[in-house]
Amino acid sequence: GIQVEQSPPDLILQEGANSTLRCNFSDSVNNLQWFHQNPWGQLINLFYIPSGTKQNGRLSATTVATERYSLLYISSSQTTDSGVYFCAVEGGGTSYGKLTFGQGTILTVHP
Amino acid sequence: EPEVTQTPSHQVTQMGQEVILRCVPISNHLYFYWYRQILGQKVEFLVSFYNNEISEKSEIFDDRFSVERPDGSNFTLKIRSTKLEDSAMYFCASARDTSQETQYFGPGTRLLVL
Repeated sequence: GIQVEQSPPDLILQEGANSTLRCNFSDSVNNLQWFHQNPWGQLINLFYIPSGTKQNGRLSATTVATERYSLLYISSSQTTDSGVYFCAVEGGGTSYGKLTFGQGTILTVHP
Repeated sequence: EPEVTQTPSHQVTQMGQEVILRCVPISNHLYFYWYRQILGQKVEFLVSFYNNEISEKSEIFDDRFSVERPDGSNFTLKIRSTKLEDSAMYFCASARDTSQETQYFGPGTRLLVL
């Protein structure tokens, strides 16, 4: 099946700093989503982005499907941005929407 | 904004018992999923469900697991003869269509098997 690798595994920032999280995947994708898992364990949808660039406030994401990677940018980080960020992909071809998740990036933002 | 809901939020059971986890997907969605996340690990796919039948299942989804959409609104995951290793957070998700559509996740049910 498709492989998903995220980097870095851990990231520690001071409030106000910017960061870039990366997601590499091993095959073509029909779907790519970024999630933020908050301290209560909830998975919050950030972006649906199988290709192209999107922005939502301080967050933006870019997926270069031909090169099989996606980037999540967080600008002016806040303590509430802390948590685990997951990239999840649905491989190309016949599929019923099965998402394969990466291992996640644990982000800690200090005040 | 419509959202996926799950009940209960927490469930504690004894090994060998049966549990039923409940989900109410977003009303106009047609594709339904269960995922699980063992503490500290990544989220793993269990099963997808469309048109009242399983579309795909993972090797985790053995014959102790079953899914059902009993009444057109609820979507349930049943685990029979629970094992210690079934302890995990279970997420339900739904999508209007498959591929090229966002999957929306519920808040999860934290299952602890003692």
